[in-house]
Amino acid sequence: DSGVTQTPKHLITATGQRVTLRCSPRSGDLSVYWYQQSLDQGLQFLIQYYNGEERAKGNILERFSAQQFPDLHSELNLSSLELGDSALYFCASSVEPGLPQQFFGPGTRLTVL
Amino acid sequence: QQQVKQSPQSLIVQKGGISIINCAYENTAFDYFPWYQQFPGKGPALLIAIRPDVSEKKEGRFTISFNKSAKQFSLHIMDSQPGDSATYFCAASRRSGGSYIPTFGRGTSLIVHP
Repeated sequence: DSGVTQTPKHLITATGQRVTLRCSPRSGDLSVYWYQQSLDQGLQFLIQYYNGEERAKGNILERFSAQQFPDLHSELNLSSLELGDSALYFCASSVEPGLPQQFFGPGTRLTVL
Repeated sequence: QQQVKQSPQSLIVQKGGISIINCAYENTAFDYFPWYQQFPGKGPALLIAIRPDVSEKKEGRFTISFNKSAKQFSLHIMDSQPGDSATYFCAASRRSGGSYIPTFGRGTSLIVHP
């Protein structure tokens, strides 16, 4: 158990809908990362937050957004969902951005029907 | 553009054998090379990592071999066990804007037969 928690574990929704995925980092970790894992794209970095501020951006669609709250938990919002958004979404955390070790949560499996 | 190429895609070995997974990278600015192990239904877990200033790092049955000139690194699992059956990902990271953001290989599904 990495100490990173994610909810929900599974999410089934329809095209066009909006969902929110939640992540709580390990105790003491200030930086949160979001990743998407799919069969065709592999594991891809989406976005990073550090102490409430956006720090780095990867291949994140404009329909997706995230934020990190004062208690350091983070939420990933996915809107106007498409079939192709079906994937595993992982959150990871690290003590600070300058340290490369990241600890991954168990993931949220999103299915868009 | 696939910056980290991982092979093989799948690997089957017998219990007690050696499992070898290879990765190659293109960007010479990468300076941290971790390997992750992922079991079904779980998130990737950091297994072992290496910096480019060393050629080998060993932790228990797991060894990373690193060839900086060839821009290649590999994971060796000695005395492979059925419990090692999982998907393994290599990654390469570099510090950019103060953050380490990894680029992952596509993964290797390892099956160890009893």
